Amino acid sequence: SQQGEEDPQALSIQEGENATMNCSYKTSINNLQWYRQNSGRGLVHLILIRSNEREKHSGRLRVTLDTSKKSSSLLITASRAADTASYFCATVLSGNTGKLIFGQGTTLQVKP
Amino acid sequence: KAGVTQTPRYLIKTRGQQVTLSCSPISGHRSVSWYQQTPGQGLQFLFEYFSETQRNKGNFPGRFSGRQFSNSRSEMNVSTLELGDSALYLCASRKTSGDYNEQFFGPGTRLTVL
Repeated sequence: SQQGEEDPQALSIQEGENATMNCSYKTSINNLQWYRQNSGRGLVHLILIRSNEREKHSGRLRVTLDTSKKSSSLLITASRAADTASYFCATVLSGNTGKLIFGQGTTLQVKP
Repeated sequence: KAGVTQTPRYLIKTRGQQVTLSCSPISGHRSVSWYQQTPGQGLQFLFEYFSETQRNKGNFPGRFSGRQFSNSRSEMNVSTLELGDSALYLCASRKTSGDYNEQFFGPGTRLTVL
């Protein structure tokens, strides 16, 4: 079964607006990662946040992690049409492993 | 540096056949993981290989198997194909030291089982 549940499942916004996606998970984690997927292609790593971190920034991306609530959020500021994609959170339960447990994803549409 | 490559990109097979998919990791990456993506089940971990050894295995039947070669290239095999095996199969490679958690995905192999 999936570790993560994402909310909303789909999001449609206008260019320039901010987009917020949420992810909840069930068990303790080592780190949580966000990936983007364009139209059924490969995934692109966006950002990683470790269990002892609360917030991380990368360009227009801001990720928060609340381990007490077992949840994370991804904020994309000043969205662009090129941000249209599916976004997945993925958890890593223990250190040096390639096993990612993915959520179901949020489909983001940014209208020009 | 070249990215992760997967071959073939598209494959059509019939039920009962078997299939082999190939993945070449980024140079220097010794870990390769495989994932299955379907509309119903989403992205699910199949297995991870490191130094030619399977390190982790997901919850898939024994029809799904893999291996890794000494040059870190990996193959996965699915025997006795079922309709439900139709999916996008993604492989990912990563370092195993230093900043080792980020995974780099290939474009995937889309398998259709008729």
